[in-house]
Amino acid sequence: GQSLEQPSEVTAVEGAIVQINCTYQTSGFYGLSWYQQHDGGAPTFLSYNALDGLEETGRFSSFLSRSDSYGYLLLQELQMKDSASYFCAVRETGGFKTIFGAGTRLFVKA
Amino acid sequence: DGGITQSPKYLFRKEGQNVTLSCEQNLNHDAMYWYRQDPGQGLRLIYYSQIVNDFQKGDIAEGYSVSREKKESFPLTVTSAQKNPTAFYLCASSNPGQAYEQYFGPGTRLTVT
Repeated sequence: GQSLEQPSEVTAVEGAIVQINCTYQTSGFYGLSWYQQHDGGAPTFLSYNALDGLEETGRFSSFLSRSDSYGYLLLQELQMKDSASYFCAVRETGGFKTIFGAGTRLFVKA
Repeated sequence: DGGITQSPKYLFRKEGQNVTLSCEQNLNHDAMYWYRQDPGQGLRLIYYSQIVNDFQKGDIAEGYSVSREKKESFPLTVTSAQKNPTAFYLCASSNPGQAYEQYFGPGTRLTVT
């Protein structure tokens, strides 16, 4: 079956850079998405990698390597408001099912 | 403003009762989804619908039912057959070709005692 693995928690200091990794096992997928969720809130879409390489969107960048079944989300110039949970997700080929990882809780300290 | 609404935000029910969670979207999306989230865990897919009058089971459909009579609406019924219904329920929608980018509603926190 499909599975995604992420670290459960990451802690970093305000202004720093943090990388959240995601490794996956799938029989086939279209690409890797990243979502942010604040406590009690709804997930919001951050980025999507359909192809290998780096995608940059402001302070956030996302990377995918299909050959390594690996991706990461890079957050730069961390702010307190970045404290949240981050989920990687893959959409299975041939359908609309999206599989989410268990999430990485990011704590940003002053 | 376009978006997804879910109501109510908090819902309390007694064990053995069916309960229906509302999900409405005005984004003109064809695809809609229901997820369940338990504390400290990711999202698990309950049901999804690609088009009106069609829906498919996700990974944890047992004890749940849905309908898709209108494009804008995708209500979820949590039946008494669901063993552990207490959870945070999230509804989402997307364009059919962009399932990688889903828009989520604010969620309904259901507590069954």
